[in-house]
Amino acid sequence: GENVEQHPSTLSVQEGDSAVIKCTYSDSASNYFPWYKQELGKRPQLIIDIRSNVGEKKDQRIAVTLNKTAKHFSLHITETQPEDSAVYFCAASRSSGSARQLTFGSGTQLTVLP
Amino acid sequence: NAGVTQTPKFRVLKTGQSMTLLCAQDMNHEYMYWYRQDPGMGLRLIHYSVGEGTTAKGEVPDGYNVSRLKKQNFLLGLESAAPSQTSVYFCASSSTLSGRAGETQYFGPGTRLLVL
Repeated sequence: GENVEQHPSTLSVQEGDSAVIKCTYSDSASNYFPWYKQELGKRPQLIIDIRSNVGEKKDQRIAVTLNKTAKHFSLHITETQPEDSAVYFCAASRSSGSARQLTFGSGTQLTVLP
Repeated sequence: NAGVTQTPKFRVLKTGQSMTLLCAQDMNHEYMYWYRQDPGMGLRLIHYSVGEGTTAKGEVPDGYNVSRLKKQNFLLGLESAAPSQTSVYFCASSSTLSGRAGETQYFGPGTRLLVL
């Protein structure tokens, strides 16, 4: 099955700096890569996703890049703000023609220092 | 719309006791999922359902059973709870629409379970 590794497990940045979180996956057939943000005690919420036919996607201060050859994808957050502090999870799945079975990374605790 | 709701929010069980966690969604989604979240391990899929009356195993199904008798509800059962099942359980749902609308999984608020 799929295996997703996520690094780093913790990341501290100064407010206004950029943050980068990286994930690698093992299944070359995976074609969908979402990123979820989870604030303390809350539910995970999708913040951005990318499909294998796209190399990069941007949404305001958040961007995701995908390298299919190397089987890794990254989340980039620019101009970080204290409200960006949370745990971020990457995930990967392959299209099965049915419900998507997401395999999640182990998470990155991002702390934005004021 | 309430989205995805879960009951109970928190529960303490003794080893060997049984319980059922309820997930409900009001978005008319076909697909529903149960995950468990443990520290340092992300979310792992327990079981999922592609429609009323159908269920399938995920990554960590042992010790759990599920049922989807109604489209809007997905139940997760623990027949004989073990301390290893102490975790936070999240339910999620998604639609059958193509593109991003169909692939986004919407999560419930979670159920915190402690097995002593």
